[in-house]
Amino acid sequence: GAVVSQHPSWVICKSGTSVKIECRSLDFQATTMFWYRQFPKQSLMLMATSNEGSKATYEQGVEKDKFLINHASLTLSTLTVTSAHPEDSSFYICSASRGSSDTQYFGPGTRLTVL
Amino acid sequence: SQQGEEDPQALSIQEGENATMNCSYKTSINNLQWYRQNSGRGLVHLILIRSNEREKHSGRLRVTLDTSKKSSSLLITASRAADTASYFCATDGGSEKLVFGKGTKLTVNP
Repeated sequence: GAVVSQHPSWVICKSGTSVKIECRSLDFQATTMFWYRQFPKQSLMLMATSNEGSKATYEQGVEKDKFLINHASLTLSTLTVTSAHPEDSSFYICSASRGSSDTQYFGPGTRLTVL
Repeated sequence: SQQGEEDPQALSIQEGENATMNCSYKTSINNLQWYRQNSGRGLVHLILIRSNEREKHSGRLRVTLDTSKKSSSLLITASRAADTASYFCATDGGSEKLVFGKGTKLTVNP
């Protein structure tokens, strides 16, 4: 159990467009979902924490208007990168947990390339 | 600032050898976790060790935790080429958030 999927697995878009990434918990209800960003050969950096039905909590330095997060159900969270720029190109990974302080289960990641 | 710091940054060994990776952190924790990441893929949870535990085993994995030194180690015994991946430690820092270290890139040569 505890499978998390992400869609799409990769996406290429033009500068200025918006891209939506989905994160789904397939076999459990995820009270909390997390969004991370990973640059090549670097570690994961937490972007935001989202709890179902409430607004996401963003980490310092992460623009909430640029990275829109919606956690409308216990199995789905979405990250929308608005007005994407080449510097937004990165590997975006989500994780889901059944509750605070529970194990986080990670999705396979989404590779975003902005031309 | 990042909580966990792994060393070495890179490790190359022969199949059958043991691989040891270390992680240090800075603040109090409830638990520490180790994850594995194959190149360009998501993270796979390997093992969680709580702050009141000193050692934990899972198959070929052995994790130790020394809260007095704020350090942990991950030992992979009898390594296989399929163990080639990056390994990250992550601490909770007393909250639900995970803070990841920079990772150790392990290469197991056949």
